[in-house]
Amino acid sequence: DVVMTQSPLSLPVTLGQPVSISCRSSQSLVHSNGNTYLDWFQQRPGQSPRRLIYKVSNRASGVPDRFSGSGSGTDFTLKITNLEAEDVGVYYCMQGTQWPLTFGGGTKVEIK
Amino acid sequence: EVQLVETGGGLIQPGGSLRLSCAASGFTVSNNQISWVRQAPGKGLEWVSGIYSTGVPFSGVSGKGRFTISRDNSKNTVYLQMNSLRAEDTAVYYCARGHAGGLDYWGQGTLVTVSS
Repeated sequence: DVVMTQSPLSLPVTLGQPVSISCRSSQSLVHSNGNTYLDWFQQRPGQSPRRLIYKVSNRASGVPDRFSGSGSGTDFTLKITNLEAEDVGVYYCMQGTQWPLTFGGGTKVEIK
Repeated sequence: EVQLVETGGGLIQPGGSLRLSCAASGFTVSNNQISWVRQAPGKGLEWVSGIYSTGVPFSGVSGKGRFTISRDNSKNTVYLQMNSLRAEDTAVYYCARGHAGGLDYWGQGTLVTVSS
């Protein structure tokens, strides 16, 4: 199985400041069809996960443009340009290139 | 509007069985891949099982031999039959729709508690 490793575990950030979360996979996420299937999810307290980014850098419908994804191969990043109060929660990466689907351990973003 | 509604969770004794349902609306389950993902209390997300649009099922290590995914196209519903339940299966179970290699829509989840 593909192991997904996120860092940091916890991220206290001042409102209005940028956020960067790293996600690394144990093997390349480039599929044989040339696509890279890497999702990012946000889970606010008490809520279901919500997809933010798919295929590395595509924002899901309704996601503010302060969220962006980048990366390739085994190394990926989620960035939030200016943290807002509603962005507090846990962020997960997930690979869909190879089944079983696997998730990173999560990064908790909180207000400093 | 795409919606997924999970039902069937509850308190069950170790060794018992439970069947979870995931009722879909706004799309057709037979045209999509559907996954079950669980989250133990205070922990991260773990993919449990999935069913391709072709109907072929696939299970992760945690549920292999104990969990079976299936679907009823006439009810537009996907099921997760869970047998020989253990305390470590205690979690909120979500169903989610597959899209572009990932998971786009998620249900609200149903809580399964395995305890005597």
